[in-house]
Amino acid sequence: AQSVTQLDSHVSVSEGTPVLLRCNYSSSYSPSLFWYVQHPNKGLQLLLKYTSAATLVKGINGFEAEFKKSETSFHLTKPSAHMSDAAEYFCVVSVPNQAGTALIFGKGTTLSVSS
Amino acid sequence: DSGVTQTPKHLITATGQRVTLRCSPRSGDLSVYWYQQSLDQGLQFLIQYYNGEERAKGNILERFSAQQFPDLHSELNLSSLELGDSALYFCASSVGHGGQVSTDTQYFGPGTRLTVL
Repeated sequence: AQSVTQLDSHVSVSEGTPVLLRCNYSSSYSPSLFWYVQHPNKGLQLLLKYTSAATLVKGINGFEAEFKKSETSFHLTKPSAHMSDAAEYFCVVSVPNQAGTALIFGKGTTLSVSS
Repeated sequence: DSGVTQTPKHLITATGQRVTLRCSPRSGDLSVYWYQQSLDQGLQFLIQYYNGEERAKGNILERFSAQQFPDLHSELNLSSLELGDSALYFCASSVGHGGQVSTDTQYFGPGTRLTVL
């Protein structure tokens, strides 16, 4: 069965320092993996996705993630945090079924950025 | 703005009542998905429709039902509401495929916040 585990429920960084949000996945298939961000009282926005092409995926707002099959990981990074990055981040695996897909969400990591 | 619209934004109702949430997908998208976000359960997939037909079911209660209309908008019906149904309900849409494809990107609406008193 497919699942994702976000290893940290809360990460705090200072503005200008690197961000690392960790995610491990479990999948019976070659997975498609996504990172979504949710700002307070907002909907979910796609940051980036991995679909078995390049293992290093670049997303919006300077975020990137690296797919490591040997470690079953898909960690999200950013070299330098901005205050506007404070939000909830979800690691997601796509589950193909007989006639479509469903998304399985991790429990989320809250990123706090201090000045 | 993702292009997915949901109405209403907020809904407050009483236990035992029935409500309908509405979703309009992005132009050209054939698949619509419904998700529930609650504090205790997190984000959970409820149901998917593709071009008017139900395609996949997740953790959807029997008291809940959905449909997708010929114009591709979708409605999620919640009945016999309980306090525990209070949550944020998201709709997402994607281009969609009839077969088994896992690479489709889903775009989310702003959500409907349901409060059951």
